[in-house]
Amino acid sequence: DTAVSQTPKYLVTQMGNDKSIKCEQNLGHDTMYWYKQDSKKFLKIMFSYNNKELIINETVPNRFSPKSPDKAHLNLHINSLELGDSAVYFCASKVSAGQGADRYLNEQFFGPGTRLTVL
Amino acid sequence: GDSVTQMEGPVTLSEEAFLTINCTYTATGYPSLFWYVQYPGEGLQLLLKATKADDKGSNKGFEATYRKETTSFHLEKGSVQVSDSAVYFCALLKAAGNKLTFGGGTRVLVKP
Repeated sequence: DTAVSQTPKYLVTQMGNDKSIKCEQNLGHDTMYWYKQDSKKFLKIMFSYNNKELIINETVPNRFSPKSPDKAHLNLHINSLELGDSAVYFCASKVSAGQGADRYLNEQFFGPGTRLTVL
Repeated sequence: GDSVTQMEGPVTLSEEAFLTINCTYTATGYPSLFWYVQYPGEGLQLLLKATKADDKGSNKGFEATYRKETTSFHLEKGSVQVSDSAVYFCALLKAAGNKLTFGGGTRVLVKP
């Protein structure tokens, strides 16, 4: 019954490797996000997709490439991992205007996070 | 650009104490305001929200009032419990926008 799920929960890898984090939501939402939370708990948006189209792309290195195969999935692929990529990555989703009840319009639902450690 | 500023933590309290976490924002227009809570090892959960000036959001004993004149959305709870120990994030969303702007988070530790 998990609304927004992420895999893996923990990811430990060496510098220079390529890794992917997967996100799936079963809420029927059409907008999905990736956030990065650093060691000081500061949370910053990275990407957002609406109906499989990229709508937000903050200043993120192009080593990070999101992919949305369908509305329910938004995966994050990271090439050539660096020490500074160590963080917790959160996926989120929401319903966009016109799709659901207005009172849920602005609420984002977050996944449990993926803790990435780059050694 | 838009920004949210929260008081820095950690905030350490005893059970049944009164909790206030200050939050102020900078944004053009009329954003919606939110408080999210992150319990240890978990993702963020929406705690409460307010979509227009003078609205009061409330949930689980927490309250926050949207004050446009002071651009603030302070979180309060009259009597905290150990289970309220978490990191609390204030956030804003511009009207019809897609991007939440978060404050830096405030860690709250409630001791028995």
